[in-house]
Amino acid sequence: GAGVSQSPSNKVTEKGKDVELRCDPISGHTALYWYRQRLGQGLEFLIYFQGNSAPDKSGLPSDRFSAERTGESVSTLTIQRTQQEDSAVYLCASSFSGRGETQYFGPGTRLLVL
Amino acid sequence: GNSVTQMEGPVTLSEEAFLTINCTYTATGYPSLFWYVQYPGEGLQLLLKATKADDKGSNKGFEATYRKETTSFHLEKGSVQVSDSAVYFCARMNSGYSTLTFGKGTMLLVSP
Repeated sequence: GAGVSQSPSNKVTEKGKDVELRCDPISGHTALYWYRQRLGQGLEFLIYFQGNSAPDKSGLPSDRFSAERTGESVSTLTIQRTQQEDSAVYLCASSFSGRGETQYFGPGTRLLVL
Repeated sequence: GNSVTQMEGPVTLSEEAFLTINCTYTATGYPSLFWYVQYPGEGLQLLLKATKADDKGSNKGFEATYRKETTSFHLEKGSVQVSDSAVYFCARMNSGYSTLTFGKGTMLLVSP
């Protein structure tokens, strides 16, 4: 399909383990966003990539969280030494240029830390 | 900072009832405003948007008008259907025209 895809769709891990979440944006979209949706909460912005510019990391909640993006394609969000409060749905979105344009969301990865 | 406040759910309605889901935002400038919808088991989808004051966004029978006087962007539909059952999120564009700030979401349940 032509939409944003994410993998895995579900991930269960033990406290203290590292996890990697993957996002494939829509082809040709230069902007990519990661958000987190905890139970009963709205979406929280985590990190934003725009082309080759330095990413906006202002939403990352701690230094255990990091993300990379290869060019204008795949992105991975890594959470090190996971904690139970990291349990959430992690959503990825992309947009054509990032300049106020519509963001298209993937289905999310549901992370459960035991 | 930027924030979006929307009414708590769940909102439960019978089919063909009138729907209003309230949304207000903090007034730093004149941000673009959005409603996203998340159907069961699916990802977020853009429902409608408005980019300046007094604009009306509309889609699938839903409407929302950008009211700068009341800093509101309430979602309305004249006659809801069972298939409208979903979680609705109000959002505003942040300065720099990049990221979005979302409300907590409002679950809508429509019964036949």
